Amino acid sequence: NAGVMQNPRHLVRRRGQEARLRCSPMKGHSHVYWYRQLPEEGLKFMVYLQKENIIDESGMPKERFSAEFPKEGPSILRIQQVVRGDSAAYFCASSAPQGGTQYFGPGTRLTVL
Amino acid sequence: DQQVKQNSPSLSVQEGRISILNCDYTNSMFDYFLWYKKYPAEGPTFLISISSIKDKNEDGRFTVFLNKSAKHLSLHIVPSQPGDSAVYFCAASVVEDEKLTFGTGTRLTIIP
Repeated sequence: NAGVMQNPRHLVRRRGQEARLRCSPMKGHSHVYWYRQLPEEGLKFMVYLQKENIIDESGMPKERFSAEFPKEGPSILRIQQVVRGDSAAYFCASSAPQGGTQYFGPGTRLTVL
Repeated sequence: DQQVKQNSPSLSVQEGRISILNCDYTNSMFDYFLWYKKYPAEGPTFLISISSIKDKNEDGRFTVFLNKSAKHLSLHIVPSQPGDSAVYFCAASVVEDEKLTFGTGTRLTIIP
């Protein structure tokens, strides 16, 4: 499977717990982007990472949210102390080192009870 | 501030006819535009893109038109097929390798 992979596909958390969302980019891609889609809305940019570097985090909430893309392993989007308003679909996209089209994974649907 | 707008939340088209989806933008710095198709519970699938140096790009049944002076782009699908029923998002970026700004989507329904 050469596509962008995300896991888990569905995640249920209670208020106050932590959520960890994982993204493995397409083979050969080193740029990773995270987007969030709230119900009945378009996708909103959160963060853009390259290996071991955060390039643009202008869309990340100031508190509780963090992202990383280590030298080895998947990119992780971490949400601490989740609240009901964090319930959304979180999509990861990747692109090639020279830039270009972003290809999306299937998303992780986070539900906060 | 919605920089990319898709003013039609839904569109119904007869199978075999042309589907035209529209998108307007306000940021004159955008120079790369894309269309994605999305089925429920799946991620967006890339369809076609266009850079600001062109006014038209074609790929099979899909054609994207860009009118920079009007800050408007459109996606034409011809002929429309039942499998085209999905939500279509237009997206824009300042450079190819930058964050995408998405519209709110248009739900296209193809009537057999």
